[in-house]
Amino acid sequence: DIQMTQSPASLSASVGDRVTITCRTSQGISNYFAWYQQRPGEVPKLLIYGASTLQSGVPSRFSGRGSGTDFTLTITSLQPEDVATYYCQKYNSAPFTFGPGTKVDIK
Amino acid sequence: EVQLLESGGGLVQPGGSLRLSCAASGFAFSSYAMTWVRQAPGKGLEWVSSISGSGESRYYADSVKGRFTISRERSKNTLYMNSLRAEDTAVYYCARGISGIYYFDYWGQGIQVTVSS
Repeated sequence: DIQMTQSPASLSASVGDRVTITCRTSQGISNYFAWYQQRPGEVPKLLIYGASTLQSGVPSRFSGRGSGTDFTLTITSLQPEDVATYYCQKYNSAPFTFGPGTKVDIK
Repeated sequence: EVQLLESGGGLVQPGGSLRLSCAASGFAFSSYAMTWVRQAPGKGLEWVSSISGSGESRYYADSVKGRFTISRERSKNTLYMNSLRAEDTAVYYCARGISGIYYFDYWGQGIQVTVSS
């Protein structure tokens, strides 16, 4: 099975900062890649699919890039409501694995 | 409005069985794949099982293969869980994916499954 790594495991940043989270897969998966946000106590929410397509209703400060084995999620200006754990997911083929998550909070 | 409502969770002894159901509404059910994702206490998301819109394709995580079975009918998605272990304790989410494409755009609120003696 394809292995997924995600970094950093956690980060603390100030409001307005640019934040970047990285996921890497052990084999190329084209752009079959998604990002999710899970705020504390809430249900996961789809942010990005196809590596870079923003899901409807998601603020434009979120963006995704990458193809093959390396993918990034960027928040251009961190807001208090962005405090959450962020997960990546591959969906090129089963198993449709999630990354271990990155916990983001405000400094 | 898309709605996914899980039911059937609870407390079960190790080795026992449980059936989770997900009632779907607000969309053309047969056009969408359905999936179960779980989250153990304080842990990350773990994909468990998916079924295609037609029901012809079913996929399982290695951790549940041979113990869990996914099925669908009309507007309901079901996860049959057998030979339950303590490590199956988690909140189980039902989620929707575009048929044939397994990212998940709508999620249910989740239901607790606890395996303990």
